[in-house]
Amino acid sequence: DAKTTQPNSMESNEEEPVHLPCNHSTISGTDYIHWYRQLPSQGPEYVIHGLTSNVNNRMASLAIAEDRKSSTLILHRATLRDAAVYYCILRRNYGQNFVFGPGTRLSVLP
Amino acid sequence: SQTIHQWPATLVQPVGSPLSLECTVEGTSNPNLYWYRQAAGRGLQLLFYSVGIGQISSEVPQNLSASRPQDRQFILSSKKLLLSDSGFYLCAGVKDRASYEQYFGPGTRLTVT
Repeated sequence: DAKTTQPNSMESNEEEPVHLPCNHSTISGTDYIHWYRQLPSQGPEYVIHGLTSNVNNRMASLAIAEDRKSSTLILHRATLRDAAVYYCILRRNYGQNFVFGPGTRLSVLP
Repeated sequence: SQTIHQWPATLVQPVGSPLSLECTVEGTSNPNLYWYRQAAGRGLQLLFYSVGIGQISSEVPQNLSASRPQDRQFILSSKKLLLSDSGFYLCAGVKDRASYEQYFGPGTRLTVT
């Protein structure tokens, strides 16, 4: 499985945008990019996913580099409830499983 | 909507004792199901996944086994627990096989003493 690398931790101020980076230089053409987040003592929660084009939903936006070797999860206005560990994961098309790395711990300061 | 149920929420077991964790799914049929383990402060490790009744794929060699006796039931077991089996165990399902968006249960925190 292709590997992703993310910063261990990031900080943001409340109500400011947050850009969470993810590098996946060994991504293959059929790998989807998924983002999940995990609040303390809870299971992960799906955030967004994409293949080549940028994606938007009610939670976040996903910006995918043209060469697909990196992507950025964008939270447009961070709230205290967004403090969590964010995981960037690659899933092969028709692949059954996900490989979760250590993720980025996001702290949101009031 | 689809919901994953897991129990118990917390469990303390002695080394060498057996384990059985149950996961049930509500609101869908024939889901892909997954068991993950998360050690303290670490990411999730995929243990097993299942695409249907009686079909189990193991991702890592370990002291654990899984079974899927019914479409919406996924069980994680061990005959003899080790200290290293401590962790947060999560069951997950896939909403649809187009997006592979996973939804997770509340988890079971297992402490082996």
